[in-house]
Amino acid sequence: EIVLTQSPATLSLSPGERATLSCRASQGVSSYLAWYRQKPGQAPRLLIYDASNRATGIPARISGSGSGTDFTLTISSLEPEDFAVYYCQQRSNWPSTFGQGTKLEIK
Amino acid sequence: EVQLVESGGGLVQPGGSLRLSCVASGFSFSSYSMNWVRQAPGKGLEWVSYISSSSSTIYYADSVQGRFTISRDNAKNSLYLQMNSLRDEDTAVYYCAKSWMRYFDYWGQGTLVTVSS
Repeated sequence: EIVLTQSPATLSLSPGERATLSCRASQGVSSYLAWYRQKPGQAPRLLIYDASNRATGIPARISGSGSGTDFTLTISSLEPEDFAVYYCQQRSNWPSTFGQGTKLEIK
Repeated sequence: EVQLVESGGGLVQPGGSLRLSCVASGFSFSSYSMNWVRQAPGKGLEWVSYISSSSSTIYYADSVQGRFTISRDNAKNSLYLQMNSLRDEDTAVYYCAKSWMRYFDYWGQGTLVTVSS
């Protein structure tokens, strides 16, 4: 099973700042990685697929990069709705696995 | 508009059984693979099971293999999860999630399963 490790566990930033979240895979997953955002009490929402492609309706200030084992989610200028928990997910191998999450909180 | 509505959660004793349902609308259900993903209270996401559009391919997480059974009825636009021999560690919100390129592009609101004596 591929283990995804996200860092940091918690990130404290202010609105308007830039956020950089990391996801590292225990073995290469090519570009088969997605990012999700989950707000309290809600289901996750797909943000990025295949490492760098934005899902429908996702604004350009949210971007993804990386391949192989190291991936990054960048939010260029934080909006209030961005403060949530973020998960990465790989679909390279079964079982599909998620990272443990990064909580992005207001500083 | 895509909608996925889960039901069937509740309180069950260890060793008991429960059947979850998910009714889909707003897309051609019979054309897409589907999944169950769960989230224990205060914890992260865990993929549980996958079923292809025709039910020909099914996968389970090791943690539920042999205890849970996924199925679907395309005529009823419905997905199911039969959960037997439930354990404390199965306590979670269970989400029905539509597959797209083996990612999860739409999710239901979830149904809470609590396993406790």
